[in-house]
Amino acid sequence: AQTVTQSQPEMSVQEAETVTLSCTYDTSESNYYLFWYKQPPSRQMILVIRQEAYKQQNATENRFSVNFQKAAKSFSLKISDSQLGDTAMYFCAFMNGGTASKLTFGTGTRLQVTL
Amino acid sequence: EPEVTQTPSHQVTQMGQEVILRCVPISNHLYFYWYRQILGQKVEFLVSFYNNEISEKSEIFDDQFSVERPDGSNFTLKIRSTKLEDSAMYFCASSGRTGFGQFFGPGTRLTVL
Repeated sequence: AQTVTQSQPEMSVQEAETVTLSCTYDTSESNYYLFWYKQPPSRQMILVIRQEAYKQQNATENRFSVNFQKAAKSFSLKISDSQLGDTAMYFCAFMNGGTASKLTFGTGTRLQVTL
Repeated sequence: EPEVTQTPSHQVTQMGQEVILRCVPISNHLYFYWYRQILGQKVEFLVSFYNNEISEKSEIFDDQFSVERPDGSNFTLKIRSTKLEDSAMYFCASSGRTGFGQFFGPGTRLTVL
């Protein structure tokens, strides 16, 4: 079974600064996908970024980028130029490459962006 | 932009009652999911549904749970006899392609008294 570990329960960053959230995972699969989801106080789950395991290039979406280290099974999220609206819970998630595969989530990191 | 919708947003029920949570996935999506999140905890997988049948279910998804896609648009989760521990946020999600990402609805907060 796959496991996803987020070792930082809470983090804080000042507005306009950069912050990195850590995630490690464990799997014996070779074909899989990794995701970061954001959950603001409204509790809506919002897809932030995705990474395909077979792609070496790190995914980027505007101010969000990942550092995918396949050998180390590490998938960290970097948020640049942090904004107050980035305050949320962030969940790392793993998905096998099969049909209708489930997401396996980590326990989340609560990020607070301060003035 | 298309989105997943869920109704109701909040449901309060008595222990032992049946509840049906409703979802309308994004229209051209093929894969459908239910997850739940107990307050303060991580999101847990319940069931996946594809081609009009269950693809996978978790240990949580016991005989008290069932899913249905009664028509071309709705996707429902039924809990036959609710327990106190079923109190949670229930999320529906859908996906168009494997690995493309699952898109979540806003959730239904279920409170069992």
